[in-house]
Amino acid sequence: EPEVTQTPSHQVTQMGQEVILRCVPISNHLYFYWYRQILGQKVEFLVSFYNNEISEKSEIFDDQFSVERPDGSNFTLKIRSTKLEDSAMYFCASSEDYGTVQETQYFGPGTRLLVL
Amino acid sequence: QQQVKQSPQSLIVQKGGISIINCAYENTAFDYFPWYQQFPGKGPALLIAIRPDVSEKKEGRFTISFNKSAKQFSLHIMDSQPGDSATYFCAARLWDKIIFGKGTRLHILP
Repeated sequence: EPEVTQTPSHQVTQMGQEVILRCVPISNHLYFYWYRQILGQKVEFLVSFYNNEISEKSEIFDDQFSVERPDGSNFTLKIRSTKLEDSAMYFCASSEDYGTVQETQYFGPGTRLLVL
Repeated sequence: QQQVKQSPQSLIVQKGGISIINCAYENTAFDYFPWYQQFPGKGPALLIAIRPDVSEKKEGRFTISFNKSAKQFSLHIMDSQPGDSATYFCAARLWDKIIFGKGTRLHILP
C-alpha cells in the first residue's frame, strides 16, 4: 500500500539553526500538508499546499516557516531560525483530492525535531 | 470556534468490552469528520470517517454515531481488543485543514 514517507526520523539542532524536513507524498496525490504535535498535545495544522502554492496556513506558520515542492516527488518544510518551542513531531500528509471520496489525508510517520 | 472537544482524556476497557469516545464541535462549516488512531512513535492513521449528512457509519468493529443537531459525534469500538490500545483523535475538516481533538488514550485490559 502506498504511504507517505518522511526524513529524517529524528533531527536535533541548535536554536537559531535552519532545518529542512523532507516528505515524499503518495505519488498520485495533489494536496500536501504539514502538521505538528508537541509532546503530549494534539496534532495542529500548519499549512496546506496545492498547485505549487500555499492554500491555507495557520497562525503558527509565521515567516520562519516555508514550504516547497522542489521536484515532482518531494515536499519540504523549512524552519529558518529554530526556536526552543519548535521542538515537536512534524507530520507530513497528502490527499488525492478534496471534497470527494479521495479526500482522506494520509499521514507520514513524522520527524521528531528537538531544538537545544 | 474551530475547536473539537474530545472526552474522555483516557479510557480503560476490559477485553471484549465497548469503548466509547465522544466529541463535540461548534462550527457548522465543518464538512467531514474523521477519526484517527495513533500508536506511539507513529503518525495518525485514518480509522473511519463520516459526513454530517449521515447519522451512523459502521466499519467492522468501529462505528461513528453522528448527531448533527447536537453537534456531537462519537466512536464506538465493539469487542475491544488489546491491539486497539492506542490514542484516538476525533477531528473535523474546515476547508482543507484537519482540526484535531486533544486525543483519548485507550487501554484495553487483556
